[in-house]
Amino acid sequence: NAGVMQNPRHLVRRRGQEARLRCSPMKGHSHVYWYRQLPEEGLKFMVYLQKENIIDESGMPKERFSAEFPKEGPSILRIQQVVRGDSAAYFCASSSGTGQTYEQYFGPGTRLTVT
Amino acid sequence: GENVEQHPSTLSVQEGDSAVIKCTYSDSASNYFPWYKQELGKRPQLIIDIRSNVGEKKDQRIAVTLNKTAKHFSLHITETQPEDSAVYFCAATGYSTLTFGKGTMLLVSP
Repeated sequence: NAGVMQNPRHLVRRRGQEARLRCSPMKGHSHVYWYRQLPEEGLKFMVYLQKENIIDESGMPKERFSAEFPKEGPSILRIQQVVRGDSAAYFCASSSGTGQTYEQYFGPGTRLTVT
Repeated sequence: GENVEQHPSTLSVQEGDSAVIKCTYSDSASNYFPWYKQELGKRPQLIIDIRSNVGEKKDQRIAVTLNKTAKHFSLHITETQPEDSAVYFCAATGYSTLTFGKGTMLLVSP
């Protein structure tokens, strides 16, 4: 039973380029969460999606960042016009539901470096 | 929104000793408290969790306690081993999105 998959594992972008990060949830999971982790810091919630719906995007920066989880295919976190401050590890997690009965399992992360 | 404080930020113990990491939370509506272990360069891994209807849960060498009145919960690791060395994160949620503490770097020396 495959776990949460993310690709690419490492991504290097020059300032001003676009970054696309992909996340495939565990089989049977329909809830996806994106978190950002800066060096030596905790995980910060960004966005929570279900298939074709954004449920909570309260942690997303207002500009340049967007996320989707289409009916078919992986969830995508898109960062336009990247800046050096966007360099971080981006983790997605998935769960089979919400609330206290549903654990979140994390993918291996995408480490974004902006040069 | 929820705010989770975690202490200590670093913890060094000798192999075989016990380690305790403490967290407090602010939102009384939170009812699910997972703990994650993250090794360097790896993904966070769920190691144990506790729900608000219990006060303590144990799984071999690790245990978690919850005091809802005081709004704090703790991770206890007994008989520590070098492979326990990692960063440990506590988290809290009332519905769906997890709010994480800043992490505790645990170093277990042989």
